[in-house]
Amino acid sequence: QQQVKQSPQSLIVQKGGIPIINCAYENTAFDYFPWYQQFPGKGPALLIAIRPDVSEKKEGRFTISFNKSAKQFSLHIMDSQPGDSATYFCAADYSWGKLQFGAGTQVVVTP
Amino acid sequence: DSGVTQTPKHLITATGQRVTLRCSPRSGDLSVYWYQQSLDQGLQFLIQYYNGEERAKGNILERFSAQQFPDLHSELNLSSLELGDSALYFCASSPTPGTGELFFGEGSRLTVL
Repeated sequence: QQQVKQSPQSLIVQKGGIPIINCAYENTAFDYFPWYQQFPGKGPALLIAIRPDVSEKKEGRFTISFNKSAKQFSLHIMDSQPGDSATYFCAADYSWGKLQFGAGTQVVVTP
Repeated sequence: DSGVTQTPKHLITATGQRVTLRCSPRSGDLSVYWYQQSLDQGLQFLIQYYNGEERAKGNILERFSAQQFPDLHSELNLSSLELGDSALYFCASSPTPGTGELFFGEGSRLTVL
């Protein structure tokens, strides 16, 4: 049973657009929600993370929005660039880095 | 470069065989995690070690085992390999074991023929 559901599976945006990736979770014990970025042939790299007592967090062009009551969180990539083309994973953690990952979203940013 | 080193990068073997994957965590990180990435299962947590001791187990098969040595490097042993074990195996380390702030290596791609 997938504990973290991620959508969409893939999306294509033009340079400068704002890809939005959504995730939903069931387990209210989760207390840390990181996003990872993965390029082909590489391991996932931590992008940004949020705790459930915060509704929004920004780091550079990346923003997480968190809705605790709805058990949903999302990633926005502002002013997207072709170099942002990658697979993005949301995740949830409740126990010492034992992450539950979403299925991933392949983002393509066209020039 | 995350600072986590995994060897080998690629491995091709036959069903029924045994392989060992090696991981060196970032300098100073006491926690090591193993994850499996496959097309059908996605990224799945296998097992975690902290300073040489097993801390948590995920969906790790009984045919698989791991350990963390006194110098903090870790090995994942996969035995009686099956076709379905073909996947990318990632090692990650963490400076702060209580968070999901993991630094992943580039993975070992295992192909079982």
